[in-house]
Amino acid sequence: DQQVKQNSPSLSVQEGRISILNCDYTNSMFDYFLWYKKYPAEGPTFLISISSIKDKNEDGRFTVFLNKSAKHLSLHIVPSQPGDSAVYFCAASAGNQFYFGTGTSLTVIP
Amino acid sequence: DGGITQSPKYLFRKEGQNVTLSCEQNLNHDAMYWYRQDPGQGLRLIYYSQIVNDFQKGDIAEGYSVSREKKESFPLTVTSAQKNPTAFYLCASSLPPAGVGGYTFGSGTRLTVV
Repeated sequence: DQQVKQNSPSLSVQEGRISILNCDYTNSMFDYFLWYKKYPAEGPTFLISISSIKDKNEDGRFTVFLNKSAKHLSLHIVPSQPGDSAVYFCAASAGNQFYFGTGTSLTVIP
Repeated sequence: DGGITQSPKYLFRKEGQNVTLSCEQNLNHDAMYWYRQDPGQGLRLIYYSQIVNDFQKGDIAEGYSVSREKKESFPLTVTSAQKNPTAFYLCASSLPPAGVGGYTFGSGTRLTVV
């Protein structure tokens, strides 16, 4: 059973526009949520996080929104740049273990 | 620079052979993890260790074994009992609780059975 789901396997966006990546979860005990960015043949790198006591966290072009009632998490990238093209994983933790979604491959078209 | 080193980057194994993937970290993290990535399935937890000489099975531990004799090292052995070992393997570490700072990942090892 997948506790963290990313239902869109891929997304294409024009350079300069907004990219919105979505993530849903089922476990109400998750207390921390992260987004990771991954290039092919490399390990994921941390992008941005949010605690369950907040509903928004912003870091430069990246903003994460958390809707606890809907058990939904989203990552907004504004403006999108070609270098943002990668696979994005959302992850949720309860204790010392993270549960990962299946990833969304973002392509930013110049 | 502190980080996690996985070696080798690419590994080929004949069917029926055991193979060990190396993971070393110099971040002074207590917890270490092994994940497997398959296309369309995200990252699945194989084993994790929160302290030296202790480790727990993850969701897909069958056919794998680990050891944690030193804080810095968490090698993963893929045994001949693992039916579909071809995958991309990722090692990670964290300061507990992992939620605060997340994981630091290594660059991965791609294992191919030939």
